[in-house]
Amino acid sequence: GENVEQHPSTLSVQEGDSAVIKCTYSDSASNYFPWYKQELGKRPQLIIDIRSNVGEKKDQRIAVTLNKTAKHFSLHITETQPEDSAVYFCAASWMDSSYKLIFGSGTRLLVRP
Amino acid sequence: NAGVTQTPKFQVLKTGQSMTLQCAQDMNHEYMSWYRQDPGMGLRLIHYSVGAGITDQGEVPNGYNVSRSTTEDFPLRLLSAAPSQTSVYFCASGGGQGFQFFGPGTRLTVL
Repeated sequence: GENVEQHPSTLSVQEGDSAVIKCTYSDSASNYFPWYKQELGKRPQLIIDIRSNVGEKKDQRIAVTLNKTAKHFSLHITETQPEDSAVYFCAASWMDSSYKLIFGSGTRLLVRP
Repeated sequence: NAGVTQTPKFQVLKTGQSMTLQCAQDMNHEYMSWYRQDPGMGLRLIHYSVGAGITDQGEVPNGYNVSRSTTEDFPLRLLSAAPSQTSVYFCASGGGQGFQFFGPGTRLTVL
């Protein structure tokens, strides 16, 4: 089955700096890669996603890149702000009839003021 | 729309007790799933359903049962609770574009 590895497990950056979180997946059939943000005590919320026919997607300060050959994808957050502090999860799925999402183990991002 | 709702928010069980975690969605989503979240382990898929009457196992299905009699509801049953099932449980639903909406979670403690 699919396996998703996520690094680093913790990341501390200065406000205004960039943050990069990386994930690798094992199943080459995976074709959908969402990123979720989870604040303390809250539910995970989708922040951005990318499909396998696209190499990069941006939404304001957030971008995701996908390298299908290497089977890895990354989340980039620019101009980080204290409210970006949270746990971020990557996931992989193959959009057949199942839509199963397999998650990475999460990255705790701390943005220091 | 209420989105995805879960009850109860908190639950304490004794080892061997059974209970059902409720999940409902009002977005007419075909896909629903249950995850458990343990510290340092991320979100692990327990069971999922692609429509009423159809369920399948995820990564960690042992000790849990599900059924999907309607599009709206997807309950998770613990038949004989064990301390290893202490966790936060999230239900999620999706409409086919791939992304899923999560419910607020149920924090379960098994003594």
